Amino acid sequence: DQQVKQNSPSLSVQEGRISILNCDYTNSMFDYFLWYKKYPAEGPTFLISISSIKDKNEDGRFTVFLNKSAKHLSLHIVPSQPGDSAVYFCAASAVGSNYKLTFGKGTLLTVNP
Amino acid sequence: DVKVTQSSRYLVKRTGEKVFLECVQDMDHENMFWYRQDPGLGLRLIYFSYDVKMKEKGDIPEGYSVSREKKERFSLILESASTNQTSMYLCASSPGTIPYEQYFGPGTRLTVT
Repeated sequence: DQQVKQNSPSLSVQEGRISILNCDYTNSMFDYFLWYKKYPAEGPTFLISISSIKDKNEDGRFTVFLNKSAKHLSLHIVPSQPGDSAVYFCAASAVGSNYKLTFGKGTLLTVNP
Repeated sequence: DVKVTQSSRYLVKRTGEKVFLECVQDMDHENMFWYRQDPGLGLRLIYFSYDVKMKEKGDIPEGYSVSREKKERFSLILESASTNQTSMYLCASSPGTIPYEQYFGPGTRLTVT
């Protein structure tokens, strides 16, 4: 059973516009959520995180929004740049999980110049 | 800067061979993880370790074993490689503190022929 879902395998946006990547989860025990970015032939790199007690966290061009009642989070990238083209993974950690992360399947973002 | 290194970037092995993938981290992290990444399936946890000589199965441990004799080193062993183990293997380490961020190595692309 997939506990973290990224329903859009891919997303294409124009440079300068907003990119919105979505993630849904089913486990009510998740208390931290993270976004990772992955370029081909490289390991994922951490982008931004949010605690379940917050509804928004911002870091430069990246903002993550959390809607606990809907079990939904989203990553906003404004403005999008061609260098943002990568696979984005949503991940979540549950209380008492020995710090394991549960990852979604990823969304390939393409930012067109 | 946290550094996680993996012994090989690319590896080609024959069916039935015993394969060792090694991972080393330099940040004295307690937790280390092995994942495999396949197209459309995201990151799947194979095994993880939360202390020296301690290990726990992830979501897909079949056909794999691990070894952690020293804190900084975590090895993944394919006892008898099969073609369905052709994949990208990613190692990660984590200090186990909020927000449970994991730091990834560059990955090993393993091809089993």
